[in-house]
Amino acid sequence: GESVGLHLPTLSVQEGDNSIINCAYSNSASDYFIWYKQESGKGPQFIIDIRSNMDKRQGQRVTVLLNKTVKHLSLQIAATQPGDSAVYFCAESNRDDKIIFGKGTRLHILP
Amino acid sequence: NAGVTQTPKFQVLKTGQSMTLQCAQDMNHEYMSWYRQDPGMGLRLIHYSVGAGITDQGEVPNGYNVSRSTTEDFPLRLLSAAPSQTSVYFCASSPTGRNSPLHFGNGTRLTVT
Repeated sequence: GESVGLHLPTLSVQEGDNSIINCAYSNSASDYFIWYKQESGKGPQFIIDIRSNMDKRQGQRVTVLLNKTVKHLSLQIAATQPGDSAVYFCAESNRDDKIIFGKGTRLHILP
Repeated sequence: NAGVTQTPKFQVLKTGQSMTLQCAQDMNHEYMSWYRQDPGMGLRLIHYSVGAGITDQGEVPNGYNVSRSTTEDFPLRLLSAAPSQTSVYFCASSPTGRNSPLHFGNGTRLTVT
């Protein structure tokens, strides 16, 4: 529920603007990265993924950028809509089969 | 397809009680995992399984047991509940685990008093 979002960094974006959510990952051996969206009271939902042999991948209104040099991942959402309001998590995966999540960012849409 | 089904949705336990959180998936996924979610902490991996008969520890396994006797089911057991285990628990599955996105259930909210 709502308590999940307490103490999370918040990004406030005007409706219609582009949103950029950033994530630093920890393991240089990670080779698969995923972005999830979590709405209040629900489990996380898959948005987009990228493998380490790529540096950019586009979906519908979303783009993921991967910078392996500085271990940084970003999610860009074009023309942000009220329905994009949620908590966004990045996750990383490596050969030990563990999928590890970042702490999350709350996206708040301003009317 | 129902996807990933978690039961119960809510549970209140007293310290020292035991219980099992149930998780079932009908997608024939090999990989299943359990996470707990606390405010400001994101999702932390408790245990995971790459297939029936195989389980392994995640980031925060202490106080929890799992088993994977079938592909479909991956129950999480709390043998002696503690207030520190108050959290929202999510079960997830994927076809292959490390190279495919997770499908999540809707969670179990557990309170230990």
